[in-house]
Amino acid sequence: SAVISQKPSRDICQRGTSLTIQCQVDSQVTMMFWYRQQPGQSLTLIATANQGSEATYESGFVIDKFPISRPNLTFSTLTVSNMSPEDSSIYLCSVPGGTSATRGFFGPGTRLTVL
Amino acid sequence: AQTVTQSQPEMSVQEAETVTLSCTYDTSESNYYLFWYKQPPSRQMILVIRQEAYKQQNATENRFSVNFQKAAKSFSLKISDSQLGDTAMYFCAFMKYSGNTPLVFGKGTRLSVIA
Repeated sequence: SAVISQKPSRDICQRGTSLTIQCQVDSQVTMMFWYRQQPGQSLTLIATANQGSEATYESGFVIDKFPISRPNLTFSTLTVSNMSPEDSSIYLCSVPGGTSATRGFFGPGTRLTVL
Repeated sequence: AQTVTQSQPEMSVQEAETVTLSCTYDTSESNYYLFWYKQPPSRQMILVIRQEAYKQQNATENRFSVNFQKAAKSFSLKISDSQLGDTAMYFCAFMKYSGNTPLVFGKGTRLSVIA
């Protein structure tokens, strides 16, 4: 099973600044997914990150606000740009699975608070 | 598009008792996977159990079992001998059969186990 780490685990940021969240997987994976979980809510997919191509964004999420990098098969970053208090959420990265593509592993999440 | 519905925002159960969490979904796919995830206050998403739609036999994992009714598009989770550590948010999720696709989540059910 894949082991996924995220940095930072939490952060408190000022309005108007940007934060980059890192996601590292201990095995090579084709796809990585970024989710947002607003307070008390379920998980919403932000985008799918493929290595070597532009990320695919879901409706309501745009690249200027959430730029994503995927430089290799084990690493991805999500940047939350020009933050506002509405961006306060848990951000989670996920992979379809290590040896099993059906398990859906998640990183530990990054808790972001914007003041 | 797939949708997942969890109609019970909150539930409680006495320790050692049994509780059932409900989930319905809508899809035009014939093959797919269904999951139950647990999210304790630590916010880590933990896979509880999964079901392949092509399998008629209901999945079980120790104290956790599902009642999968494909025709009714229903996927409930039964927790037997509830323990205090089962207190968490529980999310029902859908994934297309190809495996390299993101999960679609329900809104979640907050379960409290009472001593």
